[in-house]
Amino acid sequence: GENVEQHPSTLSVQEGDSAVIKCTYSDSASNYFPWYKQELGKRPQLIIDIRSNVGEKKDQRIAVTLNKTAKHFSLHITETQPEDSAVYFCAASRVVGGGADGLTFGKGTHLIIQP
Amino acid sequence: DTAVSQTPKYLVTQMGNDKSIKCEQNLGHDTMYWYKQDSKKFLKIMFSYNNKELIINETVPNRFSPKSPDKAHLNLHINSLELGDSAVYFCASSQGRSPLHFGNGTRLTVT
Repeated sequence: GENVEQHPSTLSVQEGDSAVIKCTYSDSASNYFPWYKQELGKRPQLIIDIRSNVGEKKDQRIAVTLNKTAKHFSLHITETQPEDSAVYFCAASRVVGGGADGLTFGKGTHLIIQP
Repeated sequence: DTAVSQTPKYLVTQMGNDKSIKCEQNLGHDTMYWYKQDSKKFLKIMFSYNNKELIINETVPNRFSPKSPDKAHLNLHINSLELGDSAVYFCASSQGRSPLHFGNGTRLTVT
């Protein structure tokens, strides 16, 4: 089955600086790579996703890059703000949404934005 | 309207008891899931259910059983609760090209 590794487990950055979270995956058949943000006591919510036919996708201050050859993908947050503080999860699957096998998640990165 | 709703939000019970968590989605999705999030925040799939086909993660004890009365509902029944079952359980749904959408979670505490 799929295995997703995520680093770092904790990331502390100054407000206004950029944050980068990296993930690797093992299943070369994986084609869908979403990122979820989970605030304390709340449900994970999708913030951005990328499919294997695209190398990069951007949505305002967040961007995701994918290197299928190396089997890794990254989340980039620029101009960080206090409300970006949360736990971020990467995930991988063969189909959008996970299909019958579901999404395989990384272990999460606790992002702390220092004022 | 909440797209994926689950009840109860909190569940505190004693070891050995049997309990159920209910989940309903109004998104018209054809696949529903249960995920478990442990104390270290690790999210892991337990079950997926699509058109009466149940896929079970092999690590899930058979004390856990999902029950789907119809396409919009997937309930989770747990027998003989153990301390290690304490976690947050998330129901979720998806379909086709739509991303996974989570419910608000049920925090289960076994004492």
